[in-house]
Amino acid sequence: EPEVTQTPSHQVTQMGQEVILRCVPISNHLYFYWYRQILGQKVEFLVSFYNNEISEKSEIFDDQFSVERPDGSNFTLKIRSTKLEDSAMYFCAKALAGSSYEQYFGPGTRLTVT
Amino acid sequence: GQNIDQPTEMTATEGAIVQINCTYQTSGFNGLFWYQQHAGEAPTFLSYNVLDGLEEKGRFSSFLSRSKGYSYLLLKELQMKDSASYLCAVRDAGGSQGNLIFGKGTKLSVKP
Repeated sequence: EPEVTQTPSHQVTQMGQEVILRCVPISNHLYFYWYRQILGQKVEFLVSFYNNEISEKSEIFDDQFSVERPDGSNFTLKIRSTKLEDSAMYFCAKALAGSSYEQYFGPGTRLTVT
Repeated sequence: GQNIDQPTEMTATEGAIVQINCTYQTSGFNGLFWYQQHAGEAPTFLSYNVLDGLEEKGRFSSFLSRSKGYSYLLLKELQMKDSASYLCAVRDAGGSQGNLIFGKGTKLSVKP
């Protein structure tokens, strides 16, 4: 299974602060995704990223969110001004090219907004 | 709208067989996935179906009926470590790289 690492594992921030969550796919893949999971709720799609551009985004992914691949390897999700309701697990995923393009999830970053 | 339904909780006995059902109504369909998620951890990929029928992978099998909007995950020879949430997810239209739409998950408890 392809490996995806995420940093930090846990981030605590105050409301209104900016946070940057990082994802490092170990091998080269074309498709990357960010999902979030609020405690006790379902996994929700945020954004997909293909060929260094946003491919698709959900209604959750508003102007407070942005994604970048700043150096060709790391893949970041930035929340500009965090709100209490942004507290969740944030998962980076990548798709393995092939017949099914199954998505493999990183271990996640637990974001706590106080 | 997008709707994926699965039972909230199930309980089964070690060594037994359990079937977790999933029904879906989505605007597009490009495959159905099952993931396992232990508490506090990331989802891990279990199986993928895009054509009707049964896919078997060791103790786990997954079935799909596209005409009925229905899938199930079958777990055989249950072990205590199988206690986890099982997430049904449909890949939206948009090619093979489309995003996943998840159900709320089924929390499976395996008892001795």
